[in-house]
Amino acid sequence: ELKVEQNPLFLSMQEGKNYTIYCNYSTTSDRLYWYRQDPGKSLESLFVLLSNGAVKQEGRLMASLDTKARLSTLHITAAVHDLSATYFCAVVSGGYQKVTFGTGTKLQVIP
Amino acid sequence: DADVTQTPRNRITKTGKRIMLECSQTKGHDRMYWYRQDPGLGLRLIYYSFDVKDINKGEISDGYSVSRQAQAKFSLSLESAIPNQTALYFCATSDWGTDTQYFGPGTRLTVL
Repeated sequence: ELKVEQNPLFLSMQEGKNYTIYCNYSTTSDRLYWYRQDPGKSLESLFVLLSNGAVKQEGRLMASLDTKARLSTLHITAAVHDLSATYFCAVVSGGYQKVTFGTGTKLQVIP
Repeated sequence: DADVTQTPRNRITKTGKRIMLECSQTKGHDRMYWYRQDPGLGLRLIYYSFDVKDINKGEISDGYSVSRQAQAKFSLSLESAIPNQTALYFCATSDWGTDTQYFGPGTRLTVL
């Protein structure tokens, strides 16, 4: 059974600081997604990482994928309050037959 | 207009009642999914469908059933609701290319 673990589960950081959220998964996969969820809202796709070494950047967020280590990171640069949300990674396994989500990382950026 | 819609958005019901949650999409995607979200547990897959004739159980399908009435419609039913089915339910769609999922606004279900 595929396990997807995120850490930290909760992150409180000051504006302007950098930090990284980690997503570890337990079985082979070469397709990983990052989503954002604002309080009381639905999920919004941020990044799709399709191969080992893939790196995607959008604004202050950068995601990377290391399939050998079964690890993805979401790096936040110079955080701003608008980035406060819960971030989920999701991993595809079984030939795209199943998508498994991590438990999420709740990010709070303090002005 | 939203690409993925869910009805109802909120529902309160009693134990033992039958409940149907509906999902419609205008994105033209073949793949549709139902998830439930519980605090601290992330999203868990209930059922998924890769086309109208394809229905598959997810990790927590017990107590739920689905119907794929058309490419654009995917309904989730709780035949006899119980309190531990109280949760936020999301429908999602994806295309064949990237499998990026597009989520509906969610249905908050409370079973008393």
